[in-house]
Amino acid sequence: ELKVEQNPLFLSMQEGKNYTIYCNYSTTSDRLYWYRQDPGKSLESLFVLLSNGAVKQEGRLMASLDTKARLSTLHITAAVHDLSATYFCAVDMNYGGSQGNLIFGKGTKLSVKP
Amino acid sequence: DAGVIQSPRHEVTEMGQEVTLRCKPISGHDYLFWYRQTMMRGLELLIYFNNNVPIDDSGMPEDRFSAKMPNASFSTLKIQPSEPRDSAVYFCASRAGPGTGTYEQYFGPGTRLTVT
Repeated sequence: ELKVEQNPLFLSMQEGKNYTIYCNYSTTSDRLYWYRQDPGKSLESLFVLLSNGAVKQEGRLMASLDTKARLSTLHITAAVHDLSATYFCAVDMNYGGSQGNLIFGKGTKLSVKP
Repeated sequence: DAGVIQSPRHEVTEMGQEVTLRCKPISGHDYLFWYRQTMMRGLELLIYFNNNVPIDDSGMPEDRFSAKMPNASFSTLKIQPSEPRDSAVYFCASRAGPGTGTYEQYFGPGTRLTVT
């Protein structure tokens, strides 16, 4: 059974600080997703990482994937209040068949304070 | 494109009633997914379709749940009879086929279901 573990589950940051969210998964997959969810809203796609060593950046967020370690990271640089949200990683369970059956982590609730 | 469309956005019903949730995927997308989100269990995949055919329904919690996709632009998730523990936010998502080289799943706004 594929398991996806995120840590931390809760993160309180000060504006301007840097931090990293970790996503570990338990079986082979080369396709990893990061989503953002604001309270009461839907999930917004942030990044899709498709191969070992993939790195993607958008604004203050940078995501990377190490398939050998079965680890993805979401790095936040110089946090601002607008980044406050819950961040989910998800792993494609049926990678070989490219079916897109995603298994989600529990999410990291990020709060950025002045 | 309008994105994934779901209706209703909110549904309040009494235990024992039938509930039908609706989804219109993004035009041209071959895959459609139904998810449920609760505080206790997080985000769970219930069922997904490829080209209107159900591929994996192992996440459907019990026989009270059923899903159909009669054509490429419409899907329903039905709960009959509904129970209070079905209260959750139900999301529909769609994705293009693998031949497109894109793998993102686009989520709809969700239906917040409350069963009293």
